[in-house]
Amino acid sequence: DTAVSQTPKYLVTQMGNDKSIKCEQNLGHDTMYWYKQDSKKFLKIMFSYNNKELIINETVPNRFSPKSPDKAHLNLHINSLELGDSAVYFCASSPTGTEQFFGPGTRLTVL
Amino acid sequence: SQQGEEDPQALSIQEGENATMNCSYKTSINNLQWYRQNSGRGLVHLILIRSNEREKHSGRLRVTLDTSKKSSSLLITASRAADTASYFCATVTAGSGNTGKLIFGQGTTLQVKP
Repeated sequence: DTAVSQTPKYLVTQMGNDKSIKCEQNLGHDTMYWYKQDSKKFLKIMFSYNNKELIINETVPNRFSPKSPDKAHLNLHINSLELGDSAVYFCASSPTGTEQFFGPGTRLTVL
Repeated sequence: SQQGEEDPQALSIQEGENATMNCSYKTSINNLQWYRQNSGRGLVHLILIRSNEREKHSGRLRVTLDTSKKSSSLLITASRAADTASYFCATVTAGSGNTGKLIFGQGTTLQVKP
């Protein structure tokens, strides 16, 4: 019954590794987002896809690459992980670009 | 860049009291939204107010919007311990189309003591 799900919930990895976070929504929404929440709880938009098309691409390192195989999925791949990438990453979806439904978050810790 | 600020950053009240949180933003907006985040959880949408609206209610929540001052407030009446959470305002900038791009404030951490 989960509306927006993310896997994994926790991710602990070494610097330099490559990792992916997966997101799926079963709400039938056309638009999906990735946000980063830092240790001070500040949330910042990273990417957004509308029906598999990239519509928002904020200034993030190109080590971050979103991939949307279909409109129900938006995955985030991160290459060459750095200490500063440690944060909580949230996926969200929206039907019309208004209210957004968030996933439970993925806490990434880079050692 | 960060859109705006929330005030206060932290608020502690007794159960039954009202809680008021304020949000300021910098640019013209299409709408402003309030979200709640319980510790360790994702955000939950509470209420959306459009730029041509001045006040909106939803249960114990009352939101006001003053576009001339670029500010909004969220009032939670008769607070409960379960209202303990962080509250964020987020704006959709005018002219951003249907992207729904949200720009978040810093958040207010509310503690309601039983």
